[in-house]
Amino acid sequence: DQQVKQNSPSLSVQEGRISILNCDYTNSMFDYFLWYKKYPAEGPTFLISISSIKDKNEDGRFTVFLNKSAKHLSLHIVPSQPGDSAVYFCAASSSGANSKLTFGKGITLSVRP
Amino acid sequence: DTAVSQTPKYLVTQMGNDKSIKCEQNLGHDTMYWYKQDSKKFLKIMFSYNNKELIINETVPNRFSPKSPDKAHLNLHINSLELGDSAVYFCASSLQARRTGWSYNSPLHFGNGTRLTVT
Repeated sequence: DQQVKQNSPSLSVQEGRISILNCDYTNSMFDYFLWYKKYPAEGPTFLISISSIKDKNEDGRFTVFLNKSAKHLSLHIVPSQPGDSAVYFCAASSSGANSKLTFGKGITLSVRP
Repeated sequence: DTAVSQTPKYLVTQMGNDKSIKCEQNLGHDTMYWYKQDSKKFLKIMFSYNNKELIINETVPNRFSPKSPDKAHLNLHINSLELGDSAVYFCASSLQARRTGWSYNSPLHFGNGTRLTVT
């Protein structure tokens, strides 16, 4: 049962334009969401997070939006750069003892020069 | 300096063999994890240790045995390897208050993965 879904396997955008990566979740107990970025042959690295008490969090070129009623979040990258080309994982967690991160299967972003 | 390091990076072995993957973190974190990324690309948690104590054990075959000699190390030993064990295994660490769950200020830091191929 996929509790975190990234339904689009890939996205290609032009350098300088906006990249929008989407993520849906099914578990209403999730209250903390993260995005990770992964380059080939490396481990995922933390990018940005958002708590369920917020609907937006911004860090430089990266903004995450959370729509709790729709159980949907998105990552916006503006402007996109070729170095942003990577796999992006959405992850979610509930609070409480021994909670764990549940990951989606990732979206491959390609930014064309 | 590498924050979370795991060895080896590649591991090719035959069915039935026993192998180990080692992981070390120098971040001062108190919680370490093993994740498995299978052919479908999902990252799934296998185990989590907090201060050397097992706190998460997903439905993983008992051929997999994690060992944490101290809170900076979490090794994964796999007995009687099977073809289906072929995957990329990631070690990770974080700060986590055991009784209250996630520390929101401490996301997971991952190693670079070990690609295990069982032939």
